[in-house]
Amino acid sequence: AQSVTQPDIHITVSEGASLELRCNYSYGATPYLFWYVQSPGQGLQLLLKYFSGDTLVQGIKGFEAEFKRSQSSFNLRKPSVHWSDAAEYFCAVGVGEKLTFGTGTRLTIIP
Amino acid sequence: NAGVTQTPKFQVLKTGQSMTLQCAQDMNHNSMYWYRQDPGMGLRLIYYSASEGTTDKGEVPNGYNVSRLNKREFSLRLESAAPSQTSVYFCASKLLQGRAYEQYFGPGTRLTVT
Repeated sequence: AQSVTQPDIHITVSEGASLELRCNYSYGATPYLFWYVQSPGQGLQLLLKYFSGDTLVQGIKGFEAEFKRSQSSFNLRKPSVHWSDAAEYFCAVGVGEKLTFGTGTRLTIIP
Repeated sequence: NAGVTQTPKFQVLKTGQSMTLQCAQDMNHNSMYWYRQDPGMGLRLIYYSASEGTTDKGEVPNGYNVSRLNKREFSLRLESAAPSQTSVYFCASKLLQGRAYEQYFGPGTRLTVT
């Protein structure tokens, strides 16, 4: 069965600094990979997805992620964070009907 | 186009009470899902429906039942609520059956069982 690990429970970053959130997956074949963001009290919004092709994918709100097969990773990056990026971020792997989520990384932005 | 809607937004139940959480989508999606979200555990799949007329168990189905009423609506029922079912419940939908496309989420229902 597939699984997702987000090793960082909580990350604090200064506004304007760069960001990288880590995601590692376990699956026998090339999975479909997703990053979602959840603002407090809200549902989940899709940031970006990887199905195949170019391993660097661009998403909304200036986010990007890179698929590295050799490391089984799909890390999320942003060159310069804004206070509005404070939220919880979930990595997920899709196989057939199902999405399997990581436990999430909470991002705090300090001025 | 409202996307995925859920009712109610908040609910407090006493142990042993029953209730149904409602979910509807207006995107003509085939697949629908119910998740629960608990602190530090991410989202866990309760049940899903790959198409109208079918339902399947997910990771944590015990204590829940579901009904795919039609293509638009997918309800989740708690027959006898327990404090362990205190959680935030999310409904989601996906366009294509059987393929791992992105899912679209509703705003959630916050349920407290006392």
